[in-house]
Amino acid sequence: EAGVAQSPRYKIIEKRQSVAFWCNPISGHATLYWYQQILGQGPKLLIQFQNNGVVDDSQLPKDRFSAERLKGVDSTLKIQPAKLEDSAVYLCASSDPAWNTEAFFGQGTRLTVV
Amino acid sequence: AQSVAQPEDQVNVAEGNPLTVKCTYSVSGNPYLFWYVQYPNRGLQFLLKYITGDNLVKGSYGFEAEFNKSQTSFHLKKPSALVSDSALYFCAVRPVTRAGSYQLTFGKGTKLSVIP
Repeated sequence: EAGVAQSPRYKIIEKRQSVAFWCNPISGHATLYWYQQILGQGPKLLIQFQNNGVVDDSQLPKDRFSAERLKGVDSTLKIQPAKLEDSAVYLCASSDPAWNTEAFFGQGTRLTVV
Repeated sequence: AQSVAQPEDQVNVAEGNPLTVKCTYSVSGNPYLFWYVQYPNRGLQFLLKYITGDNLVKGSYGFEAEFNKSQTSFHLKKPSALVSDSALYFCAVRPVTRAGSYQLTFGKGTKLSVIP
């Protein structure tokens, strides 16, 4: 079974530039998450989708971050404009929509803002 | 609000010895509890979970964890450590909910080093 795919693996941008990350979840997983992991910390949820609808985006900085999952499969996360403090690993995860299942994570995209 | 505490930034253990990585949690109502492992430049890998039932949960690679409701703890254990177990371990919690947000709240992680 293929895992969660993310691209790119690494990205370096200057502050105030924009960047986009892509995620392809495990086939059949209706629930998709984006987490932000800052160095030395545990991951923090940014947004949860159920199919193409947003379930939880309470911790998403909506003035600069946006995410979409148009056809209920792939998802993109965008940052515009980027700040230095956005430097982190962005993890995509997916899970079966059942309430008692675990999330499976991709390898992440390491973003460095200079 | 839910929270997870992993009181040790680093745990060192000799190969072949038992290991314990500690985790305590705070959540409204009953918890779902998870352990994940992260190897360098890799994503998080699921190890085990507690949903309901037996307090002792067995997972991948010989790991197990014991749910203790009175102490609000979910410590990760392994009877005999391997050098290949060296990695970063995260405990996570989310409240029992059958709908809505499945947000996981993670601890800050514990670095496990197994010394040959």
